[in-house]
Amino acid sequence: RKEVEQDPGPFNVPEGATVAFNCTYSNSASQSFFWYRQDCRKEPKLLMSVYSSGNEDGRFTAQLNRASQYISLLIRDSKLSDSATYLCVVKEGPGGSYIPTFGRGTSLIVHP
Amino acid sequence: DAEITQSPRHKITETGRQVTLACHQTWNHNNMFWYRQDLGHGLRLIHYSYGVHDTNKGEVSDGYSVSRSNTEDLPLTLESAASSQTSVYFCASSANRGTGELFFGEGSRLTVL
Repeated sequence: RKEVEQDPGPFNVPEGATVAFNCTYSNSASQSFFWYRQDCRKEPKLLMSVYSSGNEDGRFTAQLNRASQYISLLIRDSKLSDSATYLCVVKEGPGGSYIPTFGRGTSLIVHP
Repeated sequence: DAEITQSPRHKITETGRQVTLACHQTWNHNNMFWYRQDLGHGLRLIHYSYGVHDTNKGEVSDGYSVSRSNTEDLPLTLESAASSQTSVYFCASSANRGTGELFFGEGSRLTVL
């Protein structure tokens, strides 16, 4: 079983829709959490870090649920330019390896 | 501007050849990583380094080696290329082990015939 699991999708949504992705992780020692965005044939880029209290950046909201060991990403008012693959990343904290472990990604397609 | 660069961006080689993929970053980051990305598998860690002369194996290290003789470079060597190593390879670096953002190179697409 992979340490970080994501629904590969694709999620196919119209412009303006709200869409949410979940990511579950198996390592309870995980301390740092991130969402990366990857466009086709390009390198991944940081979208946002995920904080314990949840955080928002414009149309994007990230949440962490430590008890159930999952993080989520909510995208409101989807744009065509949001079409991409969204990668969940977790890292262990102090005392651990700090290795960034990636999920396989969730594909989002926003259509007109 | 500081950056991370990979070379070559595209390479075709034959089974059994030795191949080296270069990764160079100008941020002075201590932490560097090599991943491979394949359809259905996502990004898988090959090797990583937390500083000069430090190297560690990742989950898919067989057939690969790295060396870290300075802060800026972490070359990845395939000692004897195999068709199973056809993939897109990404190098990344970060300043901080815990919360630090990973910065990726543009990737190197390797085909082993």
